[in-house]
Amino acid sequence: AQTVTQSQPEMSVQEAETVTLSCTYDTSESDYYLFWYKQPPSRQMILVIRQEAYKQQNATENRFSVNFQKAAKSFSLKISDSQLGDAAMYFCAYRLGSARQLTFGSGTQLTVLP
Amino acid sequence: EPEVTQTPSHQVTQMGQEVILRCVPISNHLYFYWYRQILGQKVEFLVSFYNNEISEKSEIFDDQFSVERPDGSNFTLKIRSTKLEDSAMYFCASSEVSRGSNQPQHFGDGTRLSIL
Repeated sequence: AQTVTQSQPEMSVQEAETVTLSCTYDTSESDYYLFWYKQPPSRQMILVIRQEAYKQQNATENRFSVNFQKAAKSFSLKISDSQLGDAAMYFCAYRLGSARQLTFGSGTQLTVLP
Repeated sequence: EPEVTQTPSHQVTQMGQEVILRCVPISNHLYFYWYRQILGQKVEFLVSFYNNEISEKSEIFDDQFSVERPDGSNFTLKIRSTKLEDSAMYFCASSEVSRGSNQPQHFGDGTRLSIL
C-alpha cells in the first residue's frame, strides 16, 4: 500500500520569507501523480500544485514550487515570498496513475508571522 | 470559478439514525468522490463514482455506506445506522473524465457530521 508522510506537523515562516514543507511517499509504482493541497480555516481543500512522476522538471505555480526527487521519493513544497493568506494546513497527496483515489499525508499546519 | 458545493455544512444526528450528505459537483465533471477526515487524522478516501457506478472504494466504505446520483446535478452519500465513530468531516470532490491524465480533484468545503 502506498503511504505519504509529512514529518512536520507545524511550521512557521515570517511574512515575505521562504518556507519548505516536506513530504515523502512510499510506492513501488512508476506511474503516479503527486499533489499539494491547501486547507485554510474556511475548510475547502484547494489544489496548490501537481507533479507527474514521469516529468523530471519540477512544477512551479507562481510563488509555489516543488522539489521532486523521484529516487528519494521526496516531494517538498517551497513557498516563496510568504503571505498572510498562505496560512493553512497543507496536505501532500499521491495518486496511482491507474487509479482515482488520493492518499493523503497527515498535513503540516503553516503559520505566517507578520 | 466553478465550485463543488456541499450541504449541509454541519449535520448533527443521533446514533443509529440514517444521514444523507449532499454534494453538487462541478457541472462538466463526471468523476465524483467522497473522502472523510476524522478530527486530528488524515483525509481518507471512501469511494469514487463514474458512469452511475462505484469505480473504487476503500475498506472503510462497507455496507453501511452507499452513494447515489439521484439526478443530473446531485451526488449523495448515505450512512445507515450511524455510529459514534462516523463523526468526521466529509468531503465531496469531482474531476474531469480523462483517465490516465493528471486531472486534479476539486473539493467542496465539507460537511461536519456529529453523531450523538
